[in-house]
Amino acid sequence: DTVMTQSPASMSTSVGERVTVNCKASQSVGTVVAWFQQKPGQSPKRLIYLATNRHTGVPDRFTGSGFGRDFTLTISNVEAEDLAVYYCLQYDSIPWTFGGGTKLELK
Amino acid sequence: QVQLKESGPGLVQPSETLSLTCTVSGFSLTSYSVSWVRQPSGKGPEWMGRMWYDGDTAYNSALKSRLSISRDTSKNQVFLKMNSLQTDDTGTYYCTRDSPGFAYWGQGTLVTVSS
Repeated sequence: DTVMTQSPASMSTSVGERVTVNCKASQSVGTVVAWFQQKPGQSPKRLIYLATNRHTGVPDRFTGSGFGRDFTLTISNVEAEDLAVYYCLQYDSIPWTFGGGTKLELK
Repeated sequence: QVQLKESGPGLVQPSETLSLTCTVSGFSLTSYSVSWVRQPSGKGPEWMGRMWYDGDTAYNSALKSRLSISRDTSKNQVFLKMNSLQTDDTGTYYCTRDSPGFAYWGQGTLVTVSS
């Protein structure tokens, strides 16, 4: 199974700052990675697919990058509505596997 | 528009079998695949298995011995059955249209395993 190691587990930020979330795959997954945002009581919401493609309607302050084993989600100019838990997912090889999550909080 | 909705019992006894239904609209099960994903409270999601558009299935090896996924295309429904439930199977269960790329999710249904 491909293990997705996500870091950090939590981070504090201020509105307007830039944050990065990382996922490292235990083996190459090409670009078959998605990023999700999840708020309490809600389903995961896809932000990025195929590592770099922004989902329709997702603000351009969300950017995905990476290839192979290392992937990054960058949020520029954080807004209060971005406070949530973020997950990466590899869907290159079954079983598809999620990262452990990154909780984004306000300082 | 694309919609998925999970339904099933909220409470299951330990050692019993869980049966969930995912009812979809806005797309055909013969054209798109649907996965089941579960999430214990406060923890990350876990992919459970998939119903391919052609009727084939794929399972997470960690659950394969207990899990079965089937469908009724005439009713636009995908079914999950998992036996021998234990307390650590408690969580929210989602169905999602995973092709392409997990764009659409149901609202989830909370399943509690308790006597």
